[in-house]
Amino acid sequence: GDSVTQMEGPVTLSEEAFLTINCTYTATGYPSLFWYVQYPGEGLQLLLKATKADDKGSNKGFEATYRKETTSFHLEKGSVQVSDSAVYFCALGTQGAQKLVFGQGTRLTINP
Amino acid sequence: DVKVTQSSRYLVKRTGEKVFLECVQDMDHENMFWYRQDPGLGLRLIYFSYDVKMKEKGDIPEGYSVSREKKERFSLILESASTNQTSMYLCASWTPPGGYTFGSGTRLTVV
Repeated sequence: GDSVTQMEGPVTLSEEAFLTINCTYTATGYPSLFWYVQYPGEGLQLLLKATKADDKGSNKGFEATYRKETTSFHLEKGSVQVSDSAVYFCALGTQGAQKLVFGQGTRLTINP
Repeated sequence: DVKVTQSSRYLVKRTGEKVFLECVQDMDHENMFWYRQDPGLGLRLIYFSYDVKMKEKGDIPEGYSVSREKKERFSLILESASTNQTSMYLCASWTPPGGYTFGSGTRLTVV
């Protein structure tokens, strides 16, 4: 079945550091890929998405590129801020299914 | 913007009680979902619904049921709450062109 694997956390960085959170997937067909973010005490919010191979999703300085050849959708940010501290979830949705499969989440803490 | 509203942010219930968690969306979406979130386990799908009065089991339906009498409302029911159902519960609505809109979550503690 479809699955998503994220790098294990927690991840702790200093402010202005470069961030990468790895995400790989297994899916039949051609999934759409998503990153969601959950700030403390809140539900999940869509951060960015990509619907086909080589698409790049971007938002709030975060980027992720849909790599079909490596089945990956790694999240990157060039310079993180304390306000980026949150839990990040990678997810996939297969065409027509209208249902997402999530990775286990990666907790990110940014220290000033 | 789509809004998904969960009626309670925090609930404390006793073992054996029947518990109702309510979720309402305001955009006439057909597909709605209930997940629970636990540390180290990520999000696990409990039940989902494709339309009024339709429901399908997710990955962990045991101990839960759902109700969808109106399109905008999707309720999760714990028939007899147990301590292992202490968790964060998240409701989501499938939002075109793709992806979920989540509610703020209900943190349920069963004592």
